[in-house]
Amino acid sequence: QQQVKQSPQSLIVQKGGIPIINCAYENTAFDYFPWYQQFPGKGPALLIAIRPDVSEKKEGRFTISFNKSAKQFSLHIMDSQPGDSATYFCAAEDSGYALNFGKGTSLLVTP
Amino acid sequence: EAQVTQNPRYLITVTGKKLTVTCSQNMNHEYMSWYRQDPGLGLRQIYYSMNVEVTDKGDVPEGYKVSRKEKRNFPLILESPSPNQTSLYFCASSLKGDSPTNEKLFFGSGTQLSVL
Repeated sequence: QQQVKQSPQSLIVQKGGIPIINCAYENTAFDYFPWYQQFPGKGPALLIAIRPDVSEKKEGRFTISFNKSAKQFSLHIMDSQPGDSATYFCAAEDSGYALNFGKGTSLLVTP
Repeated sequence: EAQVTQNPRYLITVTGKKLTVTCSQNMNHEYMSWYRQDPGLGLRQIYYSMNVEVTDKGDVPEGYKVSRKEKRNFPLILESPSPNQTSLYFCASSLKGDSPTNEKLFFGSGTQLSVL
């Protein structure tokens, strides 16, 4: 059973656009919500993470928005670049120390 | 350089022939884990280890074994591989064994396994 639902499955934006990737969860025990970025042929790497005590976190061009009441969080990429083309995974961690991943979003940023 | 090293990078084998995928980290991490990545299914956890001699099942442990005899190594063993275990496998580690919450996972580069 998928504990974290991620959408869309794929996304194409033009350079400079703002792609938005959404994730939703049901387990209120989740208390850590990271996003991982994966380039072809590489392992995922942590991009940015948030805790439920804040509604937004920014790191460079990447922003996580978190809505605790709706049990949703999203990743926004400002001024997207072709180098941002990758697969993005949201995840949520529960008290059992297991990181539950979404199914991933393949992002293509065109020149 | 801090890293998680997996070997081999690519492996083609036949049904029933035992194989081991090695994983080693040089960051003195207590927590280690194995994931498999399949198209449309994302990353699913196979097994994890909180510390030496402590291992637990993840979401999809059937057909796999692991061991954690040393802190730095966490091999994945397929005793009798089947075609449905064809997948991309990732090993990962993080710093705190008693609370991997709040600690980022470092992933290896992956092992592409094909079972014929």
